[in-house]
Parts: sequence; C-alpha cells; structure tokens
Amino acid sequence: AAGVIQSPRHLIKEKRETATLKCYPIPRHDTVYWYQQGPGQDPQFLISFYEKMQSDKGSIPDRFSAQQFSDYHSELNMSSLELGDSALYFCASSSTGNEQFFGPGTRLTVL
Amino acid sequence: GNSVTQMEGPVTLSEEAFLTINCTYTATGYPSLFWYVQYPGEGLQLLLKATKADDKGSNKGFEATYRKETTSFHLEKGSVQVSDSAVYFCALSDKVGTSYGKLTFGQGTILTVHP
Repeated sequence: AAGVIQSPRHLIKEKRETATLKCYPIPRHDTVYWYQQGPGQDPQFLISFYEKMQSDKGSIPDRFSAQQFSDYHSELNMSSLELGDSALYFCASSSTGNEQFFGPGTRLTVL
Repeated sequence: GNSVTQMEGPVTLSEEAFLTINCTYTATGYPSLFWYVQYPGEGLQLLLKATKADDKGSNKGFEATYRKETTSFHLEKGSVQVSDSAVYFCALSDKVGTSYGKLTFGQGTILTVHP
C-alpha cells in the first residue's frame, strides 16, 4: 500500500540558511499534518491543512511557513535556521474520519 | 489544554514477560486515544486506537482500554518479544467535525526486550 512520502530524508544546513521539506500524502487523503520531534522528545504539532486550506496551527515559529498545493502535496519552508531547529520533521496524512498515517520523517541538522 | 502523561522509562524486560506502559490524559470533551510505535530510524506507526469510553483497542497482541473514569489508556501485552523493542507513544486527539484533529503525544517510553 502507498505510504506518506517525505523528501529529503536527511538535510544539513548552516545557521541562517533556508530549508524546504516536502510531503506527499497517501492518495485520496485530504488532510496533511506537520510535526517536529526534537532529540529524545515527543512529536510537537506545527500546522495542518485540509483541502489545501490551513486548518489548525500549533507552536510553529514565525520563521516557518507551509502550504498545501493543488495536487495535495505540502511543503514546509524554514528560514533563518537556528541550531535549535535541528530535529526530525514528520508529515502525516489522513482522510476524513480516519487516523493519521506518518511518513518516515526528514532529519534536519543545522550546523 | 490537552496533555498526555506516560510512565517514566526506559523499560527493560526479558522475552515473554508481561508489559504494562501507563498512560493518563487530560482533555476537554471526548478525545480519541492512540498508541503509536516508533522503531529506530523510522516514522511513527499506529499500533491501536479507541474512540470512546470502554472501547478496547488491540493489535499484534497489544491491548489498551479507554477508561474515562480514570482518564487512562494503559498499554499491555501478555508476552513481549525482542522485536517489540521500540519507543511507544500514547496520544490523543479531539474530533474536529468528522475528522480527528492534531495529535498531542506523551513523552514516549523506550522499551528494550532482551532474549
């Protein structure tokens, strides 16, 4: 069965650089969620989109922005990167009334 | 706001031992409850879920019962295997319309099973 696809799987950036993470949800899933998991931490909700519109917002820094495109893929844009942004970023998708399925994550390292 | 508290870990067991990982929650309304498992280097996989009080979720020998009176959703397995070694997250979400909302996770419990 198709799963959530995230790219890249690993990303290394310098401080103050910009990063773009991509998420391709499971076909026919209408909702995408982004989570951030710091080292040894639980995942923290960042933002979600339903049918290409932002549906909820969590503890997402103003330096981060995200959108969902017409083909339902989503991108998380992160600017002015800080050391503390180093984390595993998960995307999850769901269809209406069903649970979330997670992608393998993108490991971002900021040097 | 919503919160989830898991028992402090890590948990180390011998193969075939009984497993319990405690999870309690605080939420407004009537959340749905989940257990997710994360194997090393991988994403989160849904292990089981329960959507209303007294529901029992079960999968791969794991079980958890939604206890509204004690606001708990403890994970149990009668006989663990080495392959169960992973990090286990308890989570909840509120319903948003007909969909589940964002997940709020507990801090995770590291389980190590020795042969």
